[in-house]
Amino acid sequence: QQQVKQSPQSLIVQKGGISIINCAYENTAFDYFPWYQQFPGKGPALLIAIRPDVSEKKEGRFTISFNKSAKQFSLHIMDSQPGDSATYFCAAVRGGYQKVTFGTGTKLQVIP
Amino acid sequence: GAVVSQHPSWVICKSGTSVKIECRSLDFQATTMFWYRQFPKQSLMLMATSNEGSKATYEQGVEKDKFLINHASLTLSTLTVTSAHPEDSSFYICSASPGANTEAFFGQGTRLTVV
Repeated sequence: QQQVKQSPQSLIVQKGGISIINCAYENTAFDYFPWYQQFPGKGPALLIAIRPDVSEKKEGRFTISFNKSAKQFSLHIMDSQPGDSATYFCAAVRGGYQKVTFGTGTKLQVIP
Repeated sequence: GAVVSQHPSWVICKSGTSVKIECRSLDFQATTMFWYRQFPKQSLMLMATSNEGSKATYEQGVEKDKFLINHASLTLSTLTVTSAHPEDSSFYICSASPGANTEAFFGQGTRLTVV
């Protein structure tokens, strides 16, 4: 079964707008939640990550919001740019940072 | 940041043949590497955990005799797809990290097409 659920499957945002991607997990043993950005034909690259003892983390235009009680977390991309167009995966890791369980992915398109 | 490199980036092989994919950690040693498979427009699914000097651990539903993994050194893991068939065509991605509680870095992926 899908351990990390992600929505929406695809997203179109105008340049300068806010992109929001949501994820939910089941296993409370997960203790690290990274987000990855993947361009076509490339491997995923770490974008930003959070631990469950923190409710929010911001790095530049990217912010993760984390709700431990609801087992949900989200990525906000502020001032979205065409260069942000990619597929985004939320993920969860248990016990160390190595073995990654990926969400289903969101294809983001930022239009001028 | 740490670099993980895969070779080749893409490969086309005939049905029934075997193909080997390499995953190297270029600037660090990795006792554990991971192999993922990604079908078009789908997520990455973990196939197996590659352990240096010991047998790989396969996820449920992954045929260990079909996907041979060898982790002969601290910087190299190989995935061999044996007797490949068109349904094995996919994007194969490896990851590695310098230690148990450090970030996993992903390779650029290998596109396998079986014809």
